Amino acid sequence: DGGITQSPKYLFRKEGQNVTLSCEQNLNHDAMYWYRQDPGQGLRLIYYSQIVNDFQKGDIAEGYSVSREKKESFPLTVTSAQKNPTAFYLCASSVGTGGRTEAFFGQGTRLTVV
Amino acid sequence: AQSVTQLDSHVSVSEGTPVLLRCNYSSSYSPSLFWYVQHPNKGLQLLLKYTSAATLVKGINGFEAEFKKSETSFHLTKPSAHMSDAAEYFCVVSTRGGADGLTFGKGTHLIIQP
Repeated sequence: DGGITQSPKYLFRKEGQNVTLSCEQNLNHDAMYWYRQDPGQGLRLIYYSQIVNDFQKGDIAEGYSVSREKKESFPLTVTSAQKNPTAFYLCASSVGTGGRTEAFFGQGTRLTVV
Repeated sequence: AQSVTQLDSHVSVSEGTPVLLRCNYSSSYSPSLFWYVQHPNKGLQLLLKYTSAATLVKGINGFEAEFKKSETSFHLTKPSAHMSDAAEYFCVVSTRGGADGLTFGKGTHLIIQP
């Protein structure tokens, strides 16, 4: 089945640690995205990538980093500089960034700082 | 600039009665509009989308929405609620395609009473 796979489903981070969230897609989509979801706030864009080896900051990129070495993979690292990392993180992909295409979402990773 | 307002943070209906989730948008250009559903601790699933074709859009699971340009609205309806419809619903607007151009509403939590 084609789709987006995020792992792990649950992740716990100690203060001062960096952690990496995995996102893999087999939809052959060029564009991939990371969103952060907090209760009552909808989704906010962290980073996006339109093509391999290129990515752009979204609305809340501070304290996060990404890479796009392969078309199918777009990992997100939550660094120690992110002061409030506890949230639900969603990865998405789309055919492209032009036109009227919708985004397809993974099942999410819930990150908790302990 | 674009924005989207979901007029109700919570909606409660009895099983078998109609569902109405309200969404108003603001956009400088001709928008695409989407409704997504999210079950607890899951990713977002596309219910339906409007991309400048027919103004009455039919989606999955019996949901439909009508694009009303004069009212800048895109309300989601379903004739008869089912217990499995209980979830969070997001109205989304896009004026340039791709998930980096998406603006999410804050969500409406739909509660189904038995």
